[in-house]
Amino acid sequence: QVQLQESGPGLVKPSETLSLTCAVSGGSINTYYWSWIRQPPGKGLEWIGYIYYTGSTNYNPSLKSRVTISLDTSKNHFSLKLSSVTAADTAVYYCARGGPTIFDPWGQGTLVTVSS
Amino acid sequence: EIVLTQSPDFQSVTPKEKVTITCRASQSISSSLHWYQQKPGQSPKLLIKYASQSISGVPSRFSGSGSGTDFTLTINSLEDEDAATYYCHQSSNSPWTFGQGTKVEIK
Repeated sequence: QVQLQESGPGLVKPSETLSLTCAVSGGSINTYYWSWIRQPPGKGLEWIGYIYYTGSTNYNPSLKSRVTISLDTSKNHFSLKLSSVTAADTAVYYCARGGPTIFDPWGQGTLVTVSS
Repeated sequence: EIVLTQSPDFQSVTPKEKVTITCRASQSISSSLHWYQQKPGQSPKLLIKYASQSISGVPSRFSGSGSGTDFTLTINSLEDEDAATYYCHQSSNSPWTFGQGTKVEIK
């Protein structure tokens, strides 16, 4: 069965770029949609964006100017870049399979703190 | 953007009781409504898709209903392991959005 695992720095300075990678195992990234979703501490869920295996993307308008999602089929992973971060971007970041429909499964999540 | 409003925000329930959580959409989303369970320290897990379709491996005490703007998640005969926060999610219109969550506590 497909499993996802996020990785990346747990601490990012304000104004810098947050970069995370999601490794997909147990299945090929060359099908399906792949999403990033975040959850600020103690709060609800916010969809960030998705990428299709063809490379087409769809981003949440609230973050669109700062977000880039890409994929590397040779490494079977996809990535998130969020620029010009502030404390409001502190959250647990999840990757998940899916996009225009259900999100299933999800990675375990990784906490990213924005602080100097 | 479609806003999903869940009620209640919090529910304290005795084991074996029935739990009902509602999710109201700000506009019609047909049956494009899904439910997730998130236990403390864990990632969300898909419970119900397209309002009422069951998911393999999810206990049969979880069920969903509704269409249009009003949806319900029902947990029949609550068990201790069901203590969690439950979220609804719509996939009708981008950006995909979630409800604010309903926390279910076991008395």
